[in-house]
Amino acid sequence: SQQGEEDPQALSIQEGENATMNCSYKTSINNLQWYRQNSGRGLVHLILIRSNEREKHSGRLRVTLDTSKKSSSLLITASRAADTASYFCATDTGGSEKLVFGKGTKLTVNP
Amino acid sequence: DVKVTQSSRYLVKRTGEKVFLECVQDMDHENMFWYRQDPGLGLRLIYFSYDVKMKEKGDIPEGYSVSREKKERFSLILESASTNQTSMYLCASWTNYGYTFGSGTRLTVV
Repeated sequence: SQQGEEDPQALSIQEGENATMNCSYKTSINNLQWYRQNSGRGLVHLILIRSNEREKHSGRLRVTLDTSKKSSSLLITASRAADTASYFCATDTGGSEKLVFGKGTKLTVNP
Repeated sequence: DVKVTQSSRYLVKRTGEKVFLECVQDMDHENMFWYRQDPGLGLRLIYFSYDVKMKEKGDIPEGYSVSREKKERFSLILESASTNQTSMYLCASWTNYGYTFGSGTRLTVV
């Protein structure tokens, strides 16, 4: 069952530019999380935003959540070549810590 | 930092073999999960476990089983491997802020 849907599927930018990825979901959530995956590796947790929060920051990452539109965005500022990876949103719909992942956005940052 | 270790990065197995994928976490977490990841399909939940000897089916449990005899270890079992089980398998453990994933096992069934 697919809950989150990331947009765009792929994004290519130059180093120093900002990257914005969007996630839409279908049902009510407890929280929404963003993960990064470098090629062929496991996913790394980036940030969690709860349903009663609207914005959260962590270093160069900024996440927003609009529960009325059932959408979230991940902004990476001043991107670096090392940010090249796939980024996934995941939703926790309640109680079980069972996450449903989107299909991801593949970000390429060109040096 | 929580560490989740998957015993193999790459595995090649023959059709019909019984395959064990092992996952160990070092933080006494109760909740553990097995996902598979395929191009175009994203991550799909196979099985999860809330505690020792407890297991719940995910979205695609067919052809798989699991074992949780000790809290730190959650094993995924392919009873009779088939070529359509060629995939990347990811184990995760739940922390207070999200999952910690292992590095993944890329399984090829020939």
